[in-house]
Amino acid sequence: QVLLVQSGAEVKKPGASVKVSCKTSGYTFINSFIHWMRQAPGQGPEWLGMINPSGGWTSYSQKFQGRLTVTRDTSTTTVYLELSNLRSDDTAVYYCARDNYESGNDWFDPWGQGTLVTVSS
Amino acid sequence: DIQMTQSPSSLSASVGDRVTITCRASQTVGTHLNWYQQRPGQAPTLLIQGVSTLRSGVPSRFSGSGSGTDFTLTISSLQPEDFLTYYCQQSSGTPYTFGQGTKLEI
Repeated sequence: QVLLVQSGAEVKKPGASVKVSCKTSGYTFINSFIHWMRQAPGQGPEWLGMINPSGGWTSYSQKFQGRLTVTRDTSTTTVYLELSNLRSDDTAVYYCARDNYESGNDWFDPWGQGTLVTVSS
Repeated sequence: DIQMTQSPSSLSASVGDRVTITCRASQTVGTHLNWYQQRPGQAPTLLIQGVSTLRSGVPSRFSGSGSGTDFTLTISSLQPEDFLTYYCQQSSGTPYTFGQGTKLEI
């Protein structure tokens, strides 16, 4: 089955960077976009950006332009999220998810298990 | 950005009740609307895609409807395992956005 397995929890200081990995399996890696979301406690998920693993094309939410980098390694079928210049309000659970597409509609299924990133001095 | 507003934010109900959750978009999203269910401490899971298509394995007591800006998720007869949090999500344009969630409580 399709599985997305993320790296473990991280604790970072303000101003630092964090890199989270998302190892995929169970499908052809280059055939599906991967999205990144985050969810702060008690909030709905927030979409950060996406990558086309086939060519590496990315699209980011304007909110994170300049701070967010999403990359992929086709040899290990892994996608990475790197967020720089961390602030306390970046504290959240970060999720990767596989894109599914039909008739112009994109949905996320499945999701990784989540990675807690805590930003604290 | 397209804002997604869910109502209510929380809902008290009983096993066997019929409940409806509403999701309103700040501009039309056509039929590019999906619903997710989330258990505490776990990732969201897809419930419904494209307004009304149930994910494989989702019980038929769940249904979705709507188009344009107004959408509903209905659970025809609540079961104990349904007392979770539900989110709508639009994919009409980036940034893709989610509602703030509706928590079903016993």
